[in-house]
Amino acid sequence: EAQVTQNPRYLITVTGKKLTVTCSQNMNHEYMSWYRQDPGLGLRQIYYSMNVEVTDKGDVPEGYKVSRKEKRNFPLILESPSPNQTSLYFCASSQGNRNTEAFFGQGTRLTVV
Amino acid sequence: AQKVTQAQTEISVVEKEDVTLDCVYETRDTTYYLFWYKQPPSGELVFLIRRNSFDEQNEISGRYSWNFQKSTSSFNFTITASQVVDSAVYFCALSEDDNTDKLIFGTGTRLQVFP
Repeated sequence: EAQVTQNPRYLITVTGKKLTVTCSQNMNHEYMSWYRQDPGLGLRQIYYSMNVEVTDKGDVPEGYKVSRKEKRNFPLILESPSPNQTSLYFCASSQGNRNTEAFFGQGTRLTVV
Repeated sequence: AQKVTQAQTEISVVEKEDVTLDCVYETRDTTYYLFWYKQPPSGELVFLIRRNSFDEQNEISGRYSWNFQKSTSSFNFTITASQVVDSAVYFCALSEDDNTDKLIFGTGTRLQVFP
């Protein structure tokens, strides 16, 4: 089954404690990205990757890091989380030619206290 | 600048009513793609439709239909004979003709269908 898998689904952490949200896709997609969803703001892109070792900033990259060492994985790293990073996070993958839809993971609800 | 506007924050209807969700977009590109996604209470994002800018034909899929009008930069979504299971947040999104698959989302419309 084609899918994007994120872990964990829910996470509560404290300010400053480094965390990683994992994302893996099994569709051999080249393009992967991270979005955050906040009330009244919709989804906004954090970072994206067009292929292995190729990553770039989206619209709201501050406070986040990513890596793309393998095609299937695209982890999101928060080196020093802050309360304003409390949000619902989605990982997405697509073929990279805009001819198909993006597939989204189940979402990770992060709370930073 | 590219932008997607969903002016309706929340809509409430009674089951079997028809409901239209509005989506207005802004882009400088002549080639672009429009999407609708559904986010049910469980939280995942479910793809509903993709439309490219050269295809202005309206589309119908069961109780769902989409009206794409380039003249007004709108891509509206109609649910006919709504059902309780249609209750969700619906997002309209735009993808421009650049080298990325970046989606620009509207702020979403929460639809509540009451029995």
